Amino acid sequence: QKEVEQDPGPLSVPEGAIVSLNCTYSNSAFQYFMWYRQYSRKGPELLMYTYSSGNKEDGRFTAQVDKSSKYISLFIRDSQPSDSATYLCAMSDAGGTSYGKLTFGQGTILTVHP
Amino acid sequence: DSGVTQTPKHLITATGQRVTLRCSPRSGDLSVYWYQQSLDQGLQFLIQYYNGEERAKGNILERFSAQQFPDLHSELNLSSLELGDSALYFCASSVGPELGTKRNTIYFGEGSWLTVV
Repeated sequence: QKEVEQDPGPLSVPEGAIVSLNCTYSNSAFQYFMWYRQYSRKGPELLMYTYSSGNKEDGRFTAQVDKSSKYISLFIRDSQPSDSATYLCAMSDAGGTSYGKLTFGQGTILTVHP
Repeated sequence: DSGVTQTPKHLITATGQRVTLRCSPRSGDLSVYWYQQSLDQGLQFLIQYYNGEERAKGNILERFSAQQFPDLHSELNLSSLELGDSALYFCASSVGPELGTKRNTIYFGEGSWLTVV
């Protein structure tokens, strides 16, 4: 079983829809949670960063972390065709032995059609 | 543009050969990370260097090695290449050695596409 599970999709939604992306994890030591967006043949770019449980909002993006359920989500409001990309969740226990290691989910391929 | 520079962008080589991938971190970043991305395994952490010293090691094969030089650039050496080594290799960098604040999150380069034939 992988430490981080993410449904690869693909997910196809109409422009303007609310998109929900999710990851589950098994390592209770994870404390830092990130969402990256990766366009085709490009490097992942950081979208959201969250520490521990709770919600964080940044423009059209909202990240949620539920450590009790080991479940994190990314919501995209008013989705745009430019949001079409692969979304990767990533996690770290930072202060543990893994130092700077990020553990990634498989990524969800999202297409927003006009 | 993340500020992390990787060369070459694309590389095609034969099985059994050796290649070197190069990375220049963002200005001011002391940590360099190498990740491998393949279709079946996703993004996998290989190794981390901080200010010239190895800091953390992931599932890096013995055929692979890396180093960080005094000017902070890093090289990933892949030897005795196999078909299964074909992947996108990312370099990333961050300010410090440990993740834990937004300031010390990691930023990825555009990657080096390696195709082994």
